[in-house]
Amino acid sequence: GEDVEQSLFLSVREGDSSVINCTYTDSSSTYLYWYKQEPGAGLQLLTYIFSNMDMKQDQRLTVLLNKKDKHLSLRIADTQTGDSAIYFCAELRGNNRLAFGKGNQVVVIP
Amino acid sequence: DADVTQTPRNRITKTGKRIMLECSQTKGHDRMYWYRQDPGLGLRLIYYSFDVKDINKGEISDGYSVSRQAQAKFSLSLESAIPNQTALYFCATRALMGYTQYFGPGTRLTVL
Repeated sequence: GEDVEQSLFLSVREGDSSVINCTYTDSSSTYLYWYKQEPGAGLQLLTYIFSNMDMKQDQRLTVLLNKKDKHLSLRIADTQTGDSAIYFCAELRGNNRLAFGKGNQVVVIP
Repeated sequence: DADVTQTPRNRITKTGKRIMLECSQTKGHDRMYWYRQDPGLGLRLIYYSFDVKDINKGEISDGYSVSRQAQAKFSLSLESAIPNQTALYFCATRALMGYTQYFGPGTRLTVL
């Protein structure tokens, strides 16, 4: 299948906002997700958004969804050193499978 | 307490050996999945199962087999390991009517 696209690396200063972008492929995807992977750990679900929404806010996290462009973004406000990780977006495709992007490494500089 | 556990967490083996990776879950979920993660490639689906009698191939099933012994257990086997199967392997679960997959901590496999 087609790839879910993510940029690979982002560095950000502690206290600033981070924005991670993702382009997904299947217009019939029902749910879109952001997962976080800390070094040496598994994937932790951060948040998700249903395809009929265009924004979801959860504490420091804001998810924006542009269905027309198949673009998903995750904004982390007041980025902290504990936010340093790899972030994966994923889409639940029409065939009921989850397809992941390649991940975006975020490094927070104190 | 971890809801999805994987054993072993790390394994080093030699080319040609048979290896089994195990996954157990206490979430009561029907659906279970095996993925592999390679640097810069994200996660790719190997096999998945919707219940005890159901096994489905994912994107990259060649060289792997699975067994769903019970609702709570899903094991992944490499019948004859090769070096390009060196990767991080994740098990995941999902409820029948749920929309979220929950991941285990991963097994790091190195094939020499």
